Amino acid sequence: ETGVTQSPTHLIKTRGQQVTLRCSSQSGHNTVSWYQQALGQGPQFIFQYYREEENGRGNFPPRFSGLQFPNYSSELNVNALELDDSALYLCASMNPSGDPYEQYFGPGTRLTVT
Amino acid sequence: QKEVEQDPGPLSVPEGAIVSLNCTYSNSAFQYFMWYRQYSRKGPELLMYTYSSGNKEDGRFTAQVDKSSKYISLFIRDSQPSDSATYLCATIREGAQKLVFGQGTRLTINP
Repeated sequence: ETGVTQSPTHLIKTRGQQVTLRCSSQSGHNTVSWYQQALGQGPQFIFQYYREEENGRGNFPPRFSGLQFPNYSSELNVNALELDDSALYLCASMNPSGDPYEQYFGPGTRLTVT
Repeated sequence: QKEVEQDPGPLSVPEGAIVSLNCTYSNSAFQYFMWYRQYSRKGPELLMYTYSSGNKEDGRFTAQVDKSSKYISLFIRDSQPSDSATYLCATIREGAQKLVFGQGTRLTINP
């Protein structure tokens, strides 16, 4: 167990709806990244948050947005859901005093868009 | 062309065999290299983490990076059925935020 938790575990939404996914990072980890993993593919970077500010973004449209809170937990929001948004959404946290770039993943939220 | 190429398999070997998993990458700016193990319906688990070229060993696992050929390998000795999972290679540039993953190789160890 990495100490990174995500909720909910599974979610089913309809095309056009909005969804919020949540992540609690490992204690002391102030950097959280979000990834999308389509079935049979490797995770794709969505964005990263460091001390409540967005700190890098991948090739995802603006309807993917996020927040990080003072306790370093984070949310991923997706508006206007599309069928292709169906995937496993992973968050990963980093230890600021550990080896650089070691990222520890949570169990993920499986989102199905119908 | 994908930045990181990985044969998706599936790869099936008998228990006790030595397993070799490989990736290639295209960007010479990548400096840090990782291997993650992902069980079905779980998040990726960090197995090995290396910087630049060379070997790193941890128990039955050995990670190898050859930057001259842009080749990353993971060797598993004395493979066990519990090693059955998808193995993902990943890399990142110095100062960057995003891990770049391969597609993952699905491995099955048969008792």
